[in-house]
Formats: sequence, C-alpha cells, structure tokens
Amino acid sequence: GAGVSQSPRYKVAKRGQDVALRCDPISGHVSLFWYQQALGQGPEFLTYFQNEAQLDKSGLPSDRFFAERPEGSVSTLKIQRTQQEDSAVYLCASSLAGGAGYNSPLHFGNGTRLTVT
Amino acid sequence: AQSVTQLGSHVSVSEGALVLLRCNYSSSVPPYLFWYVQYPNQGLQLLLKYTSAATLVKGINGFEAEFKKSETSFHLTKPSAHMSDAAEYFCAVTSINTGTASKLTFGTGTRLQVTL
Repeated sequence: GAGVSQSPRYKVAKRGQDVALRCDPISGHVSLFWYQQALGQGPEFLTYFQNEAQLDKSGLPSDRFFAERPEGSVSTLKIQRTQQEDSAVYLCASSLAGGAGYNSPLHFGNGTRLTVT
Repeated sequence: AQSVTQLGSHVSVSEGALVLLRCNYSSSVPPYLFWYVQYPNQGLQLLLKYTSAATLVKGINGFEAEFKKSETSFHLTKPSAHMSDAAEYFCAVTSINTGTASKLTFGTGTRLQVTL
C-alpha cells in the first residue's frame, strides 16, 4: 500500500482482556515507532524499532505492554490484561531512515482507537 | 529532558486572516523542531521541520515557522487562513545529541478553527 496501515481501526475490549494491534509500515522503511494518544493530548512515545531490533522501549507504560517486529516489517503492539487507562488511540509511524524524523519524514497511520470498558 | 509548550489549546480565526500558532521549546542541546497537522480520525502529517539550517522554514499548504533561539520559540504562521486549515496542530522536538534520537516529544496540540 501507499501508506502506513493499522488494524483494527477500532477495538473495544473488556477490562482484563488481551489485545493485539497491528501495523504495516511502508515497504522498505527501516524505522518504526509506536505512540499512544490519549483524548485531547499529543502523542506520547512508546517504543522504537530499527528493522527488527527494538532500540528503545522506554515509553512502554508497564510490563503489560509488549511490541515486536520479528522480520523487520510488520509490527504488533500487544497489551495484556487491559485497563481503562489504556483507552487511547495507538499510532504507528515509519520512516525510511533511522531516527525520529530528522533524516526522513515520519509517515503516520490513522491509528487504532482502543476503548476498554 | 526536552519538551514543547503550545500556548492556546484552541485558536479561532476568520477565513483570510493570519494564522499564528505558538510553540516554545525547552532543550539543553540543539533541537530539531517539527510541526505536524492532524485531521479528524487521521494520523499526523508533517508540515515542516527545522534541522539547524535556515531559521525560517517553509512547509506545505503555505505554512512557515521561524526558529528563534533567543526566545526558544518555533511559532507556526500562515498569512491567509483557508477553511481547509481547520485541524489539530502539534509542535514536536527531538535531538540527535542526547542519545534519545528515537523520541519525538509532542506538545498537547492546538485546535485551529476557521470561520467564515
């Protein structure tokens, strides 16, 4: 596809359920980022991959959050035992080069809106 | 730590009027600064970026921003607003000198409303 694709577009989970959010970056993009955007807030960094290597996971809020990119393309963000405070839009972004967009622009997907009830 | 502060969560302008969205940054090392736009139910789109070259940066859709180190500011402007400019705008900062080159730190956003 032409852009970053995220699925599902919307996800409703009951508290305590596990969820998996998928990101298909632009083909050939080295860097992949996950951000969490709470209602009315700016995106907050979660984690960063360069190819299959997770170079920074300092933004993951708890050990219930786990991200992987095993073959250096598609990435999955998994949230275990979801809590209400996990409700947010989860944004994925990719870029051709390394770094947070100063070498090559970040391309964002439309996000997955997670609602935990 | 790096941060950006966007003054004004909501800005309303008339069509054809000047748009001014304010952003101030805090960084102990030379920053790279960005403006992104987000339309409803969409991801973010890069408007422009400052990476230590020219201090006046021109972006897409007629927007520009000026880096002012003395004021630690990176305000976004457009001479004449269009209805299609109505969206959420985010200022963001990063630096390659801190070892946190993977992190883009965003402000809380400014919602721009354009009225007839």
